[in-house]
Amino acid sequence: DVKVTQSSRYLVKRTGEKVFLECVQDMDHENMFWYRQDPGLGLRLIYFSYDVKMKEKGDIPEGYSVSREKKERFSLILESASTNQTSMYLCATIEGGIYGYTFGSGTRLTVV
Amino acid sequence: AQSVSQHNHHVILSEAASLELGCNYSYGGTVNLFWYVQYPGQHLQLLLKYFSGDPLVKGIKGFEAEFIKSKFSFNLRKPSVQWSDTAEYFCAVSAMNNNAGNMLTFGGGTRLMVKP
Repeated sequence: DVKVTQSSRYLVKRTGEKVFLECVQDMDHENMFWYRQDPGLGLRLIYFSYDVKMKEKGDIPEGYSVSREKKERFSLILESASTNQTSMYLCATIEGGIYGYTFGSGTRLTVV
Repeated sequence: AQSVSQHNHHVILSEAASLELGCNYSYGGTVNLFWYVQYPGQHLQLLLKYFSGDPLVKGIKGFEAEFIKSKFSFNLRKPSVQWSDTAEYFCAVSAMNNNAGNMLTFGGGTRLMVKP
């Protein structure tokens, strides 16, 4: 089974801090995704990456950036955290088009 | 771009009641359709998926969904729910993206509570 590991389950950060959320997958999947999950809004795509050093913006990229230096690791960066970025962040990977995503367990970020 | 609507944000049922959760999508091209489930405190898991063929799809734990192309719908059903079905359910659609293969767009989710 594919494992997607997010380094932190809970994080509390201050407004203006730079925040790194890490995601590691243990398979050789090319495609990795960062979503945020908010009540009533479902999951919204922030960024995705289809190969090392390759990235594309999703639906809500503002205030975020990403890094993919190695195939197994996809990092989400909040350059200057704000309170409206308080959310659950989910990383996902997909092997190919015929399968569903595999999600990590999520990081609940609170910005105070 | 595709979008997904889930009509019910909260559903409360008694055990043994029948369940139907609505999902409509908007996209002009070929889509793949998914239902995911998130049990309290757990990560998202795939419940079932539709790619082609029989529009009635059977998933895990007695769930099924029917793809009705003319209505752009993919409703989730279960004849008799159990308390353990209490969870949040997400409908998702994927359309081909040039770089990332299938990229999922999610609906807003439906929280189901089953009373014992």
